[in-house]
Amino acid sequence: GAVVSQHPSRVICKSGTSVKIECRSLDFQATTMFWYRQFPKQSLMLMATSNEGSKATYEQGVEKDKFLINHASLTLSTLTVTSAHPEDSSFYICSARSGTSGNTYEQYFGPGTRLTVT
Amino acid sequence: AQSVTQPDIHITVSEGASLELRCNYSYGATPYLFWYVQSPGQGLQLLLKYFSGDTLVQGIKGFEAEFKRSQSSFNLRKPSVHWSDAAEYFCAVAQGATGGSYIPTFGRGTSLIVHP
Repeated sequence: GAVVSQHPSRVICKSGTSVKIECRSLDFQATTMFWYRQFPKQSLMLMATSNEGSKATYEQGVEKDKFLINHASLTLSTLTVTSAHPEDSSFYICSARSGTSGNTYEQYFGPGTRLTVT
Repeated sequence: AQSVTQPDIHITVSEGASLELRCNYSYGATPYLFWYVQSPGQGLQLLLKYFSGDTLVQGIKGFEAEFKRSQSSFNLRKPSVHWSDAAEYFCAVAQGATGGSYIPTFGRGTSLIVHP
């Protein structure tokens, strides 16, 4: 159980275009979803946290207008990179948490999406 | 603010040898601690976690970790490494809060290389 999927796994887009990445919790309801960015050989950097039906909370330094996050349902969150530039090329990982009870609050991670902007 | 230090960027071990990956955290109260593994081009898989109770935690794939409050450490161990264990390992710490709305902070990761 507790599977999170991401689509697409890889995407190449041209500079100036927008690209949407989907994150789905397949067998549980995700009250909270997280979006991370990971540079090569580096750790995960939290970009934003989103709760279903609410606006996302962005970390300091992350441009809200560039990285649009929508958490429209308890099983789906999307990250849209608008007007992408080569420096946006990265590995984007989502995670989901049900947070229903107890002290678990475990996050389940998606397999990641490799974005390359040419 | 919470922080995590993984002092070793790379660790190389021979297959069959024992392994210890170091993790130190900075947080005032009792933290929630995690170890994740990431294979190339993949997401993160939870190996084990510590919230409370027994300070020696058993995880999947034969891994264990020990929480040592006095040393602010949560080192990951495995008695005998397999070639398939080669991956990136991340330690993470999260603080509990009212309502449980914590967000973990990740260390920079340790790359494990396994020699045959």
